[in-house]
Amino acid sequence: QQQVKQSPQSLIVQKGGISIINCAYENTAFDYFPWYQQFPGKGPALLIAIRPDVSEKKEGRFTISFNKSAKQFSLHIMDSQPGDSATYFCAASFSGTYKYIFGTGTRLKVLA
Amino acid sequence: NAGVTQTPKFQVLKTGQSMTLQCAQDMNHEYMSWYRQDPGMGLRLIHYSVGAGITDQGEVPNGYNVSRSTTEDFPLRLLSAAPSQTSVYFCASSSSPANTEAFFGQGTRLTVV
Repeated sequence: QQQVKQSPQSLIVQKGGISIINCAYENTAFDYFPWYQQFPGKGPALLIAIRPDVSEKKEGRFTISFNKSAKQFSLHIMDSQPGDSATYFCAASFSGTYKYIFGTGTRLKVLA
Repeated sequence: NAGVTQTPKFQVLKTGQSMTLQCAQDMNHEYMSWYRQDPGMGLRLIHYSVGAGITDQGEVPNGYNVSRSTTEDFPLRLLSAAPSQTSVYFCASSSSPANTEAFFGQGTRLTVV
């Protein structure tokens, strides 16, 4: 119940295309869902996050879609650019705790 | 603004050796944690601290010790290194319990031979 399942493991997208990464969770007590972006040799950095009281959040080219009934959330990268090539992690946490449960990561490559 | 600083960046140990991975943050964050990152397994929580003098175990604590004597520092100790501890280690800090941004260091790549 603590797992967050992330797919796909890797993704190749043409420049200008849409990148979609999916995550699913079991525990309905999770109430915070961030996405982290990690470049090679660097630590993860927060990209965008959502709470379950909204179904979508958009920041620039990045959008989180959240489906509470299906217990799924996804990251959409519009107009993908080579600079978006990185590893993306979804995560989930419980209100009042300090424990993030991370997905296994998706390595995105955007071809120029 | 330094953020979260980890040292060293790279380390090779022999099986059975001990060492300490250093982590320091300059943001006055109460919450600090250690994760390990392994291929195909994401980030797994080793230990965490909710303030000076308070630590607790995460998902994979075996073989690791921590202490938190100051707000700024949160070192991770490997008492007797094993090849299974070969990994990339990340320290993170945040200002409040969950539901807020965690700031990560740049990582320590550890190889145990």
